[in-house]
Amino acid sequence: DGGITQSPKYLFRKEGQNVTLSCEQNLNHDAMYWYRQDPGQGLRLIYYSQIVNDFQKGDIAEGYSVSREKKESFPLTVTSAQKNPTAFYLCASSIDWTSGRYGEQFFGPGTRLTVL
Amino acid sequence: AQTVTQSQPEMSVQEAETVTLSCTYDTSESDYYLFWYKQPPSRQMILVIRQEAYKQQNATENRFSVNFQKAAKSFSLKISDSQLGDAAMYFCAYGDGANSKLTFGKGITLSVRP
Repeated sequence: DGGITQSPKYLFRKEGQNVTLSCEQNLNHDAMYWYRQDPGQGLRLIYYSQIVNDFQKGDIAEGYSVSREKKESFPLTVTSAQKNPTAFYLCASSIDWTSGRYGEQFFGPGTRLTVL
Repeated sequence: AQTVTQSQPEMSVQEAETVTLSCTYDTSESDYYLFWYKQPPSRQMILVIRQEAYKQQNATENRFSVNFQKAAKSFSLKISDSQLGDAAMYFCAYGDGANSKLTFGKGITLSVRP
């Protein structure tokens, strides 16, 4: 079955530690995204990538980093510079916009990150 | 920058009744897409319905339909014959024609009374 997987489902981190959230898709989608969800805030875009080896900052990129070495993978690192990292993180992917049904994003199940 | 506003944080509907969730957006673009996503308690985001701005006809998916008013920049979701499984948070989202980014509203929590 095609889809997006995120791991782990729950993640605990001590203050001052970097942590990496995994996101993998087998939908052959070109674009991938990372969102942060906080209560009452909706989804806010952290980073996105429309092609391998290229990515752009979203609205709240400070304290986060990403890489896009493979089409199917888009890991997110939450660094110690992120002051309030406790949140629910969602990864998504979409077909390249030139393919027609662009914009429609498919989401993974999410990772809940808690800083202890 | 585009903005999406969902002014009602919570709504409630009786099972089998109809409910309308409102959404407004702000853009200077003429080519864009609008979406409603559902997030049940499992927190899995599910696409409910999409609307292309160039289409005048309102999108419909089974019990879900939209009222798209382009001039007013309004995009409401109507859920007919509400079911207990419709209880969730619903997000309105805007996507422009320049890239594949989406801008989300803050969401509305819908509860369904049996």
